[in-house]
Amino acid sequence: QKEVEQDPGPLSVPEGAIVSLNCTYSNSAFQYFMWYRQYSRKGPELLMYTYSSGNKEDGRFTAQVDKSSKYISLFIRDSQPSDSATYLCAMRDDYKLSFGAGTTVTVRA
Amino acid sequence: ETGVTQSPTHLIKTRGQQVTLRCSSQSGHNTVSWYQQALGQGPQFIFQYYREEENGRGNFPPRFSGLQFPNYSSELNVNALELDDSALYLCASTNLADHGYTFGSGTRLTVV
Repeated sequence: QKEVEQDPGPLSVPEGAIVSLNCTYSNSAFQYFMWYRQYSRKGPELLMYTYSSGNKEDGRFTAQVDKSSKYISLFIRDSQPSDSATYLCAMRDDYKLSFGAGTTVTVRA
Repeated sequence: ETGVTQSPTHLIKTRGQQVTLRCSSQSGHNTVSWYQQALGQGPQFIFQYYREEENGRGNFPPRFSGLQFPNYSSELNVNALELDDSALYLCASTNLADHGYTFGSGTRLTVV
């Protein structure tokens, strides 16, 4: 079993829709939870990170962590074609990041 | 403030050869990590360097090795290249107190 499982997708949504992305994890040592966005042929770009259960908002993005269920989510409101990318969840223990496999999202104009 | 820069951007090598990839960390960051990302997969942790010492390693064989220099830049060396080593190699830097990692754009290695 992988340490981090991410809903595989791909997802295709119309412009303005809410995008919901999810990951589960098995390692209780994970302390920090992050979401990265990766455009084709580019490195991952950090969108959000959090270390506690609950919600964290940043503009159109909301990250949600439930440590008791070992489940994290990212919601994108009012999605735009520029949000089309691969989204990676990542979790950090003492010294490394463990990533999900990524979900590719396409927002249709 | 400059980000993480990696060189070269693309590379083609023959099976059995050796390769060196380079990374300059973001200003203010003292820790560098390397990740391997196969097509359609998430990045996999190779190793991390802090103060020129390796302080964490993933499930990669010893033919993957690295260095960190006093200016916090880093190299990844891979010996005896195999076809399965074809991937995007990503360098990430951090100041561990910040928790967030900044990634470079990667080096795409193709082994033929």
